Amino acid sequence: KAGVTQTPRYLIKTRGQQVTLSCSPISGHRSVSWYQQTPGQGLQFLFEYFSETQRNKGNFPGRFSGRQFSNSRSEMNVSTLELGDSALYLCASRPGTGGYNEQFFGPGTRLTVL
Amino acid sequence: DAKTTQPNSMESNEEEPVHLPCNHSTISGTDYIHWYRQLPSQGPEYVIHGLTSNVNNRMASLAIAEDRKSSTLILHRATLRDAAVYYCILAPGGTSYGKLTFGQGTILTVHP
Repeated sequence: KAGVTQTPRYLIKTRGQQVTLSCSPISGHRSVSWYQQTPGQGLQFLFEYFSETQRNKGNFPGRFSGRQFSNSRSEMNVSTLELGDSALYLCASRPGTGGYNEQFFGPGTRLTVL
Repeated sequence: DAKTTQPNSMESNEEEPVHLPCNHSTISGTDYIHWYRQLPSQGPEYVIHGLTSNVNNRMASLAIAEDRKSSTLILHRATLRDAAVYYCILAPGGTSYGKLTFGQGTILTVHP
């Protein structure tokens, strides 16, 4: 099976712009989670989607949003970019919703905000 | 969320066993213990998980204390490819919300 794919891999934006990142989960996986990784804060949970519904959200401002499509692909959007949004954005998928389900991470999208 | 405590860093020599400890004294009865690792410039990679009993897979072994307040990830023969940041995480059981709370992890250095 193909792994989790994320596009684009690298992105450069300027302050005030918005950005959309895409994630394709492993085939058959219906749960997709998003994480932000920065040197200062480490890996932080953004939100999870399952069957097109947001199930949980981390402690991020409303500028961060996401959605999931019927084929389980997911997108996250960041509006009004700030310098502090520069980070590695990781997507992870899992087959089900039980706590015993491991998450499979993609390679990430490196976002740089200038 | 229940927290985990890991040493900031550990070192090992190639082909020697490595024991990575994790304390989770506030673990609840339904929390699963997960380990992930992150190699440089890559996303985290699942290593192993368990609930109460010790677990083995092709990558590692997980030893869970009887009171479940601590666990140890065992790499039987470290290789240079095992150099990574290792995260010990508690995942709520039942229908969880997919939220993994990552700490700072343990930076493992493997010497040739």
